[in-house]
Amino acid sequence: EPEVTQTPSHQVTQMGQEVILRCVPISNHLYFYWYRQILGQKVEFLVSFYNNEISEKSEIFDDQFSVERPDGSNFTLKIRSTKLEDSAMYFCASRGQPTDTQYFGPGTRLTVL
Amino acid sequence: GESVGLHLPTLSVQEGDNSIINCAYSNSASDYFIWYKQESGKGPQFIIDIRSNMDKRQGQRVTVLLNKTVKHLSLQIAATQPGDSAVYFCAENMGGGFKTIFGAGTRLFVKA
Repeated sequence: EPEVTQTPSHQVTQMGQEVILRCVPISNHLYFYWYRQILGQKVEFLVSFYNNEISEKSEIFDDQFSVERPDGSNFTLKIRSTKLEDSAMYFCASRGQPTDTQYFGPGTRLTVL
Repeated sequence: GESVGLHLPTLSVQEGDNSIINCAYSNSASDYFIWYKQESGKGPQFIIDIRSNMDKRQGQRVTVLLNKTVKHLSLQIAATQPGDSAVYFCAENMGGGFKTIFGAGTRLFVKA
């Protein structure tokens, strides 16, 4: 069964450093998402991406965040200058059509020291 | 505002009993609702969904009920098993499917 994959599984970085989280969505999907989940809290929407542009973004997704689909398979989330409060699990998701089920990846745990 | 919340943060049930997890949503414009299961260290896993033109949908051992009048969503799990122990999130879709808002989550404990 196809699945969303994410790398790395755990990323440790120093405050102020840039990080790039990588996702490989399911191959025939067209809609891509990033979410984050701070430990013990709910899953929070960050951004959706379709047709090579951002469709929606939340107030969390400020100028420090960017997304990119650099090729036909990867979908990345970049945080330019990480802050302590960026420490969280980051989940990528994809879907084929906007009304279809979203499939989530296993997440990347980001730890900012 | 946009918010989806849960009435009970934890629920403990005996194996074999039925479980009911509740959720309130606030956005009348949401037209698609989903229940996710999240096990420790994993991403959310789709359980069942329902569109706003329906009030009930059944899956395998799970049923979702939607009451648009009071903006309430529930997940019923029949014959709860130890493998059902997890955190359950309700979520609503808005923005034509481009934005999904999750609720706070309910932790389900199944006692053997």
